[in-house]
Amino acid sequence: GAVVSQHPSRVICKSGTSVKIECRSLDFQATTMFWYRQFPKQSLMLMATSNEGSKATYEQGVEKDKFLINHASLTLSTLTVTSAHPEDSSFYICSARKVGMGTDTQYFGPGTRLTVL
Amino acid sequence: QKEVEQDPGPLSVPEGAIVSLNCTYSNSAFQYFMWYRQYSRKGPELLMYTYSSGNKEDGRFTAQVDKSSKYISLFIRDSQPSDSATYLCAIPYYTGRRALTFGSGTRLQVQP
Repeated sequence: GAVVSQHPSRVICKSGTSVKIECRSLDFQATTMFWYRQFPKQSLMLMATSNEGSKATYEQGVEKDKFLINHASLTLSTLTVTSAHPEDSSFYICSARKVGMGTDTQYFGPGTRLTVL
Repeated sequence: QKEVEQDPGPLSVPEGAIVSLNCTYSNSAFQYFMWYRQYSRKGPELLMYTYSSGNKEDGRFTAQVDKSSKYISLFIRDSQPSDSATYLCAIPYYTGRRALTFGSGTRLQVQP
């Protein structure tokens, strides 16, 4: 397998503040990482695709100015929720794409639970 | 029609039972299929990865793909209470992107 970490695992913030979530691939390089959002008892919904060295690609309905994504290196992508509001409270999960001999799949981080008061 | 359909369950079985989890998909061009397991409040964990049709076995887990009927299955033999989780089938969003579109997930409870 492969290991992907996320930090922080849980964050509580006041409405109007910004929150940064880090996603790291620990034992492989990932030119592509993905950010998902998951509401309780629902499946994962793709928010954006993060490509190292280029702008992120956002899914329809996701505000790129609100969810800033930076893929600074082959092992790190960050998601910043700007001016967070209670409706942004959710479970945010990143994944990193690993490509190798006969394999092309994604490994997920443990998730970050964001609560906006 | 959703790209991937999955029965959300919940599915409750006794310990030791054989579990069958299933998904259907709509696009016949899909080639890669994955199964993830997600425990409560955790990120998904890759269980099985298959390409095209056929079976793939890994320990107690068997993934099966039937492209003619656009049907994918995950079988768990000798189920254990530790298998209690939500199981998600996943397919790459579309060629080149490799983002995943997930089924809704089936919640499995294995009773000791």
